[in-house]
Amino acid sequence: DTGVSQNPRHKITKRGQNVTFRCDPISEHNRLYWYRQTLGQGPEFLTYFQNEAQLEKSRLLSDRFSAERPKGSFSTLEIQRTEQGDSAMYLCASSFPGTGTANTEAFFGQGTRLTVV
Amino acid sequence: EDKVVQSPLSLVVHEGDTVTLNCSYEVTNFRSLLWYKQEKKAPTFLFMLTSSGIEKKSGRLSSILDKKELFSILNITATQTGDSAVYLCAAGGSNYKLTFGKGTLLTVNP
Repeated sequence: DTGVSQNPRHKITKRGQNVTFRCDPISEHNRLYWYRQTLGQGPEFLTYFQNEAQLEKSRLLSDRFSAERPKGSFSTLEIQRTEQGDSAMYLCASSFPGTGTANTEAFFGQGTRLTVV
Repeated sequence: EDKVVQSPLSLVVHEGDTVTLNCSYEVTNFRSLLWYKQEKKAPTFLFMLTSSGIEKKSGRLSSILDKKELFSILNITATQTGDSAVYLCAAGGSNYKLTFGKGTLLTVNP
């Protein structure tokens, strides 16, 4: 399977615990995105990497959230001291460099569904 | 702040109808407009548009972009029950970030 892979697919955690999600992008895709999606909403941008550099982080992201992409391949998203409001689907997407300045299509993983109880 | 607005938010049609989904955007350093289909899982890519006035077509689906009016539409002709899904529009801007709208929930009844 050469698509974007996310683990785990589901995570239930108690409020106050830390959780970490992993995303393996499509090979050779240098751009990696994290999004959060709640019911009835479109994906909400969290952060974006180009290779190992984190180029942008949403203002909505509190300091409890941190993301890394240490070798420019897989990425992790950690949420510390989880709150019930963090319950959502966390989506990862990757894309490859296009020609010129255009975007190229981003391909999504199946997501990690987080439930904070 | 970058913004993408889709309309309608939901739509119910009968099989065989034609539907038009709308997407307007305000994005800094606009690069491209993308459409995705989302069933009960991750969004799957449909189209990417970068130039005004050039229609992209795939089977019964087609889309066009108007960069002057900051607008795109997605048309689906001869709808089928399998077209029932949330259709997401995303605009690519600065740093190649994709900003998504809330989506249009399309329900096609037999």
